Amino acid sequence: DAGVIQSPRHEVTEMGQEVTLRCKPISGHDYLFWYRQTMMRGLELLIYFNNNVPIDDSGMPEDRFSAKMPNASFSTLKIQPSEPRDSAVYFCASSLSISTNTGELFFGEGSRLTVL
Amino acid sequence: DAKTTQPTSMDCAEGRAANLPCNHSTISGNEYVYWYRQIHSQGPQYIIHGLKNNETNEMASLIITEDRKSSTLILPHATLRDTAVYYCIVAGGDKIIFGKGTRLHILP
Repeated sequence: DAGVIQSPRHEVTEMGQEVTLRCKPISGHDYLFWYRQTMMRGLELLIYFNNNVPIDDSGMPEDRFSAKMPNASFSTLKIQPSEPRDSAVYFCASSLSISTNTGELFFGEGSRLTVL
Repeated sequence: DAKTTQPTSMDCAEGRAANLPCNHSTISGNEYVYWYRQIHSQGPQYIIHGLKNNETNEMASLIITEDRKSSTLILPHATLRDTAVYYCIVAGGDKIIFGKGTRLHILP
């Protein structure tokens, strides 16, 4: 398996522009997670899905952020409009389950976003 | 919020065992202890997890105290490639929340 695939790997955009980050989870995994990492705040959980349904979005910073999972093999994280403080590395992860015994997370390589 | 306490950083000589401590005094009976690591600019990587028994795999060993209030991750023969941030996480079938972790430096 190719693992969790994220795109783009790097994006540089200007303040006010829309940004869309994409994620393809590992086939057969029922859970998908979006994390954001910055030097100041560390690794933060934004939202996670189970069987394409959003379960917990309490980590989404504000209404400018939205996430969708239209099918089991694809998810997007959208920021509209983007701001410089959104600059971060965004990670997608998938998991077979979140059972405490099998809930290993597999992470993608991340999307590094820079908002000027 | 993270439920664990880890030292900010540690050093270990190459070839020696690296012992990374973690305190989780408020752990509940159904919560597991997970360890992940993150090598610079990569996504976090799962290492090992356990409930109350000690666990070992090809990467590391996990020692959990009898009262489950603390644990130690052991890398038996550290190499330069083990330089990373190591995260100790307590989770009970719910979302996995990362704390600040321990930055481990392996010294040649």
